Amino acid sequence: GQQLNQSPQSMFIQEGEDVSMNCTSSSIFNTWLWYKQDPGEGPVLLIALYKAGELTSNGRLTAQFGITRKDSFLNISASIPSDVGIYFCAGLRDNYGQNFVFGPGTRLSVLP
Amino acid sequence: GAVVSQHPSWVICKSGTSVKIECRSLDFQATTMFWYRQFPKQSLMLMATSNEGSKATYEQGVEKDKFLINHASLTLSTLTVTSAHPEDSSFYICSALGDAGNTIYFGEGSWLTVV
Repeated sequence: GQQLNQSPQSMFIQEGEDVSMNCTSSSIFNTWLWYKQDPGEGPVLLIALYKAGELTSNGRLTAQFGITRKDSFLNISASIPSDVGIYFCAGLRDNYGQNFVFGPGTRLSVLP
Repeated sequence: GAVVSQHPSWVICKSGTSVKIECRSLDFQATTMFWYRQFPKQSLMLMATSNEGSKATYEQGVEKDKFLINHASLTLSTLTVTSAHPEDSSFYICSALGDAGNTIYFGEGSWLTVV
């Protein structure tokens, strides 16, 4: 299906640095979801956002649902080696609907 | 949180045979499940959307006779790769729409190797 835009596509950072990545669309979504995928495994849900403007944290991770409902960002503070992986965003338009689209992912590498 | 389990985690089969992958929602009922395929270093590619009790909706370019999807109960969807060929070797992942209808939970994925 239709994809969201994620940027950057990939990033290399030093351990301890903060990371910021975002997800944008030309369409409005009612839910934004952020996932992390480790190599050879299925994506794991990190943060779910259900309201425009909502800011939610999960440990060192913080995500926000954009006011326009067309974007979302994910921040990781004080990165550690296990943060390595692919981060996917996903947008849902309607509850119980099938209008679910996902981004191509941001590949994060953390250098010791 | 909600748990989705896939089985098997990995499978090797001979070319020409069929293989079935199961996707179960362990602690919630999933009326809608999704099947994806993922090639190395690439994003998830949606193959089909599976609704309990009805026929799956396949994405353009996905052969419905090749990839049979059955969603016979609220907690189980299966993907059967029929007459598998080496080019079908891939990582297959399922996901399920949660009870509230606004969150997707993924399975652990299944590696298929066709020799």
